[in-house]
Amino acid sequence: SQQGEEDPQALSIQEGENATMNCSYKTSINNLQWYRQNSGRGLVHLILIRSNEREKHSGRLRVTLDTSKKSSSLLITASRAADTASYFCANTGANSKLTFGKGITLSVRP
Amino acid sequence: EAGVVQSPRYKIIEKKQPVAFWCNPISGHNTLYWYLQNLGQGPELLIRYENEEAVDDSQLPKDRFSAERLKGVDSTLKIQPAELGDSAVYLCASSLEGFSANEQFFGPGTRLTVL
Repeated sequence: SQQGEEDPQALSIQEGENATMNCSYKTSINNLQWYRQNSGRGLVHLILIRSNEREKHSGRLRVTLDTSKKSSSLLITASRAADTASYFCANTGANSKLTFGKGITLSVRP
Repeated sequence: EAGVVQSPRYKIIEKKQPVAFWCNPISGHNTLYWYLQNLGQGPELLIRYENEEAVDDSQLPKDRFSAERLKGVDSTLKIQPAELGDSAVYLCASSLEGFSANEQFFGPGTRLTVL
């Protein structure tokens, strides 16, 4: 069974807008990671945030982590059509297993 | 740098037939994973190897699934016999040692269709 849940399940925005995706998890974590999966391709790691970090940036990506609420958010600024993909959060718990959520489908309209 | 290589990319078989998937991880990556991904879902771990040792196979259905990683490099995942419910994408990933702290690099996957 999968531990985390992403919200919303699907998101459609116009190119240039920002996209915000949320993720919740159920148990304590060591770190949380976000991955992207394009249609027909494998997953690509985007960013990792450790349990003692609250915010992290990488290019147009900004991820936050609130361990008190067991939630994380991924913000993509100035979205592009190439950002169209499925986005997964994955957390690593005490058992060191990486557990993925069901994913969020992002569509960026040109 | 070459990424994780998987073959075949697609496989169609009839139920009760055997099938095997092959994975070549990124050079130098000690840890190798096999995941199963159903349509509309995230990947679920089947087995994790540290070098040639399977350190987590708790989610591997051992009655029909088997895996090996001889010499701690390439790995094969086998299903025998395949069932209709095994239709899914099988992903291989690798990472440097230090499992929980490192990103995983995924291959393109093998899409299995069982008829």
